[in-house]
Amino acid sequence: DGGITQSPKYLFRKEGQNVTLSCEQNLNHDAMYWYRQDPGQGLRLIYYSQIVNDFQKGDIAEGYSVSREKKESFPLTVTSAQKNPTAFYLCASHRDRNTGELFFGEGSRLTVL
Amino acid sequence: GENVEQHPSTLSVQEGDSAVIKCTYSDSASNYFPWYKQELGKRPQLIIDIRSNVGEKKDQRIAVTLNKTAKHFSLHITETQPEDSAVYFCAASGSGGSNYKLTFGKGTLLTVNP
Repeated sequence: DGGITQSPKYLFRKEGQNVTLSCEQNLNHDAMYWYRQDPGQGLRLIYYSQIVNDFQKGDIAEGYSVSREKKESFPLTVTSAQKNPTAFYLCASHRDRNTGELFFGEGSRLTVL
Repeated sequence: GENVEQHPSTLSVQEGDSAVIKCTYSDSASNYFPWYKQELGKRPQLIIDIRSNVGEKKDQRIAVTLNKTAKHFSLHITETQPEDSAVYFCAASGSGGSNYKLTFGKGTLLTVNP
């Protein structure tokens, strides 16, 4: 069953701690994305990667970092520098630039205590 | 960069009525405009999309129209049903028309009352 798997689904973190959200896909898609969703704010792009070992900042990259060592994996680290990290995080992928559809994971909800 | 405005933020209709959601975009180079539906507690899913070389596209009860001159596009849902209740997001491709970078609107919460 192909798809995108995000983990953990829920995560609690203390202020000052870094946390890494996992995103794995078995769709053989080239491009992967991380979006942040806040109530009333839509989906805002954090980082995206078009190919292994390459990634670009999105609109709200400050306080986040990513890596793309494997085609299947695109983990997101929320660092202590992110001032308002409590949010719902969505990972997505799509095959290539001629296929516009994004496939989303089920999301990870991060709460900073 | 691209900026997408979406209206209304909430929309309530009676079952069987039509619903229209409108979006405007700023980057005239954008050429791809998808609509996503997100049911409560679920992931967003693509319901329809349109490219800049067409003005309208239909899929059963759903249609999208695009006016490139005015830089706006709209989602039309006819004969609404309670299962249409969800948050709907419009989006536009990023600067230069790259499909790799979508900018989303803030969403419309559609409620269909039985």
